[in-house]
Amino acid sequence: NAGVTQTPKFQVLKTGQSMTLQCAQDMNHEYMSWYRQDPGMGLRLIHYSVGAGITDQGEVPNGYNVSRSTTEDFPLRLLSAAPSQTSVYFCASSSLTGGENQPQHFGDGTRLSIL
Amino acid sequence: AQSVTQPDIHITVSEGASLELRCNYSYGATPYLFWYVQSPGQGLQLLLKYFSGDTLVQGIKGFEAEFKRSQSSFNLRKPSVHWSDAAEYFCAVGEGGSQGNLIFGKGTKLSVKP
Repeated sequence: NAGVTQTPKFQVLKTGQSMTLQCAQDMNHEYMSWYRQDPGMGLRLIHYSVGAGITDQGEVPNGYNVSRSTTEDFPLRLLSAAPSQTSVYFCASSSLTGGENQPQHFGDGTRLSIL
Repeated sequence: AQSVTQPDIHITVSEGASLELRCNYSYGATPYLFWYVQSPGQGLQLLLKYFSGDTLVQGIKGFEAEFKRSQSSFNLRKPSVHWSDAAEYFCAVGEGGSQGNLIFGKGTKLSVKP
């Protein structure tokens, strides 16, 4: 049981390049989300999804796109990378059973540098 | 809007000493509360959670937390800290319902002196 898998673990981009951060979970969780973590800022929600075909914006969505075509996968796309997007990105998933906030399971993160 | 405050950015304790990390939340209804730990270069691991019932909850690694509604607090405690507890700790609050979003505090970094 792999849990939440993020790829790549490290990436360096040049300003203006595009890329996709991959996230996959094997727990059949309905909820998936992307956070960015910056020093002294904690985790800030970028986008989230409560099921296949359903996505919504979080606190800091600008510059990022997401899609959810399957329950398992939730990729995060940077269309035109900017230095301000240098950060550590975490994907998380959880069950939505019973209307309660269930604990979120986190991947190990992707460390992204934009030059 | 919901918010979470962790007043202490960095705490240093001696190995074997007791620990209390503070967390205050702002939320209108009964919140769902969580504590996570992050070791360097790793993702976040759940320590414990509070949904309802007994206000003192036990977690992994010998941690516990107490929900105090009157103080809007959910402080994390450990009676005797080990060197391996050095990490960053995050408090989070959720609103339940049909979506699973959590609001995280900015974290408290714990250093442990030998």
